[in-house]
Amino acid sequence: DGGITQSPKYLFRKEGQNVTLSCEQNLNHDAMYWYRQDPGQGLRLIYYSQIVNDFQKGDIAEGYSVSREKKESFPLTVTSAQKNPTAFYLCASSTFMDFNNEQFFGPGTRLTVL
Amino acid sequence: GENVEQHPSTLSVQEGDSAVIKCTYSDSASNYFPWYKQELGKRPQLIIDIRSNVGEKKDQRIAVTLNKTAKHFSLHITETQPEDSAVYFCAASIRFHQAGTALIFGKGTTLSVSS
Repeated sequence: DGGITQSPKYLFRKEGQNVTLSCEQNLNHDAMYWYRQDPGQGLRLIYYSQIVNDFQKGDIAEGYSVSREKKESFPLTVTSAQKNPTAFYLCASSTFMDFNNEQFFGPGTRLTVL
Repeated sequence: GENVEQHPSTLSVQEGDSAVIKCTYSDSASNYFPWYKQELGKRPQLIIDIRSNVGEKKDQRIAVTLNKTAKHFSLHITETQPEDSAVYFCAASIRFHQAGTALIFGKGTTLSVSS
């Protein structure tokens, strides 16, 4: 379970505010991912990054932004443009090997809009 | 877009019975199919995975089968125990853009094992 950390564990946001969720890994993984989890919806991909300084939109990127300045860090910003941000956010990482996509997940951040 | 469908959404079994969860995927290029278990309030954890060059894989009470022609794969849990109660997610690899792969997840199956 170790190797990927997310902070904070719980986050409360007022409407109109931007908030940033932290994700750090020390597994020397090249690829990192952000997922959103809602009840009954499974895990939906927000953004992913295969290498430093490069990232791609997933299925539900609108209202979110990311950066990948360091290999071990992949922060997610939830902007005020995201109209329904209350959810459980999971960060994951994997080695950049085409035939081995096992992803290791962080403990998650639960975001609530007040 | 590509998707993964998972059934059933809920499954209740008696301790000792078997449980089967089925998934279908749409991307014929998918070559990696993991299964994750998520206990309440915790992170998903990989329990078993299978690659496209293998039809079946077993690890103690857990097995996964893959039918690439039909584009479906299944998780089989035998001799279920109360600690198997959790949400189970299937996933399939997809290729984004020219390089790089990601996983598309099913919506999950809530398994309840009663003693």
